[in-house]
Amino acid sequence: QSALTQPASVSGSPGQSITISCTETSSDVGGYNFVSWYQQYPGKAPKLMISDVSRRPSGVSNRFSGSKSGNTASLTISGLQAEDEADYYCSSYTSSSTWVFGGGTKLTVL
Amino acid sequence: EVQLVQSGAEVKEPGESLKISCKGSGYSFTTYWIGWVRQMPGKGLEWMGIIYPGDSDTKYSPSFQGQVTISAGKSITTAYLQWSSLKASDTAMYYCVRQGDYDFDYWGQGTLVTVSS
Repeated sequence: QSALTQPASVSGSPGQSITISCTETSSDVGGYNFVSWYQQYPGKAPKLMISDVSRRPSGVSNRFSGSKSGNTASLTISGLQAEDEADYYCSSYTSSSTWVFGGGTKLTVL
Repeated sequence: EVQLVQSGAEVKEPGESLKISCKGSGYSFTTYWIGWVRQMPGKGLEWMGIIYPGDSDTKYSPSFQGQVTISAGKSITTAYLQWSSLKASDTAMYYCVRQGDYDFDYWGQGTLVTVSS
């Protein structure tokens, strides 16, 4: 069982905003602001979308944003587009100097 | 341009050994941690471990400690993931990743390992 819990699926219509949560269930990851988010299309390698909770790497659309409140990090996608349909994973650094991924969330654009 | 290029797909039988590779280019190979991520068929991402090629310092996930070995050849800018005795449950896609600050900023294309008798 992962130390990071994500909803299995979320959905939204084009133009809407959706939020994917990532809740820390272990004290090993608590308190760190080293949460990152990855987008993965079927059959493709994941791509970094958000790092350090809210930093967007160069080239990533500003429709993607990240935040954290307490022990829950969130990825928000605004102005939802068909091309956003993918799997999304959060990841966090731990107190053991290791990393852990969330279970992943499948985003469906209706 | 930063690139991580992995070795090709492998089909092995249970009990066999295997070493897959990941060649980095376009950056200073010895000054970035490089790691491995497993994705079993239809499942999520699992962090396996990471190595600092500069001094070969290595960290493993408790789930993979003792199950695999991560190494690197800094002169040839290549990282490796190896098994001494494969199991059917090792069937998965394996990605190498470059660690940025506290993220994985570049990913290899993946190496599919199939273990079947």
